[in-house]
This record gives sequence, C-alpha cells and structure tokens, in this order.
Amino acid sequence: NAGVTQTPKFQVLKTGQSMTLQCAQDMNHNSMYWYRQDPGMGLRLIYYSASEGTTDKGEVPNGYNVSRLNKREFSLRLESAAPSQTSVYFCASTVGNSNQPQHFGDGTRLSIL
Amino acid sequence: DQQVKQNSPSLSVQEGRISILNCDYTNSMFDYFLWYKKYPAEGPTFLISISSIKDKNEDGRFTVFLNKSAKHLSLHIVPSQPGDSAVYFCAARGWINNNDMRFGAGTRLTVKP
Repeated sequence: NAGVTQTPKFQVLKTGQSMTLQCAQDMNHNSMYWYRQDPGMGLRLIYYSASEGTTDKGEVPNGYNVSRLNKREFSLRLESAAPSQTSVYFCASTVGNSNQPQHFGDGTRLSIL
Repeated sequence: DQQVKQNSPSLSVQEGRISILNCDYTNSMFDYFLWYKKYPAEGPTFLISISSIKDKNEDGRFTVFLNKSAKHLSLHIVPSQPGDSAVYFCAARGWINNNDMRFGAGTRLTVKP
C-alpha cells in the first residue's frame, strides 16, 4: 500500500529558483494538506484542499501556491524560493470526515541556499 | 501564537515502565485531539485520538487522557518498549474548521532496554 507519496525526497535550490513539490494519494481521500516542519516547531499548515476543486490558505501560506490537479494529486509550488523556506515539507490526506486522522507522506527535505 | 504546546522536548524511560507525554492547548474551540508518532526520515503516523466529549480513550498499550478544564491532555504508554522510541506530536483541531489542525513541537521519547 503506497498511501501518500511525495516527490522528490530531497532538493537543494538557489534563492530565487522555482520548484514544485508533488503529492499523490491512492486512498480515495477527499481532503489533502501541505505542512512544513521546522526545528523546534510543530507542523504548520500551509494550504489545504478540502475537496477536489477547492483550495484554502492555512496558517503560513505566504510564498506558496497550490494546485489540486485531481482527486489524487495536490502540488505545492514555490515561485521564488527564499532561505526562510528551507524546511521539511509533508503532504497529508484524509477522508474528509471530521473525526478521521490525516495520513502523511514521508516528506520532502528542501534546502534553499 | 502556538496554540498547542508540548513543554518537554525529551523524555527518557526504562523499558517496561510507564511513559507519560504531556500536551497543553490554549484554544477552547478545539474539540478533537490526536497523537502522532514519528520516526526519523518518515512521516508522522496516527497513534490515538480523543473527542472532547470523552475524558479517556484506550488502544492497547496507549491511553490518552483529556482534562478540558485544564486544557491539558496526556498520552500514557504502558509498558514502554524500545520500539516506542520516536518523536510524539500532539495535535488539535476545532469544529469551526476541522481542516485547520495545530501541532505541538513534539517530545522525543527514548525507551532504554
């Protein structure tokens, strides 16, 4: 069972470069999420898609854009990467019911020089 | 502002003993609480949850306790095993927007054989 798959696993960018992080889930989940995790902090929600065709801002959306390509795929784009966006990025999905847990991918470690 | 706080960055216990991980929250609108476990280079995996209408939920060796008046929850692991060594995240979300989940910074548990 693949679950939530994120690509790439690692990436190094230069300041100002653009990048798209990919996420796909095979659990037929309705809702998908992008988080970032920084040292000493918990995961923080960047954007989410409650259902196919919708996207909404989370706690820390600045500098990012998202696309819900179809029910399976939810991508995160950095248009002009900044060193402050160096982080580990996690994608998650859930059925969409209020009391169902989110399932996470293994993360993308992104370094911006 | 950090609405979910885990004030102990680390905890070390002996195999077979009880591990108690603590979490405090500030937002009284939170009504669903979760614990996730994370191994290095992997995504968080769901462990156990509790709704605000309950004060205790058990699943095998894991029990979560919720004290709404104190805005405090705890995770008890009995007996602790070396394989439980990981980072544990507390998370919470509210009924207004159940997509907006907030995480604590995590507690690193080490279980010594």
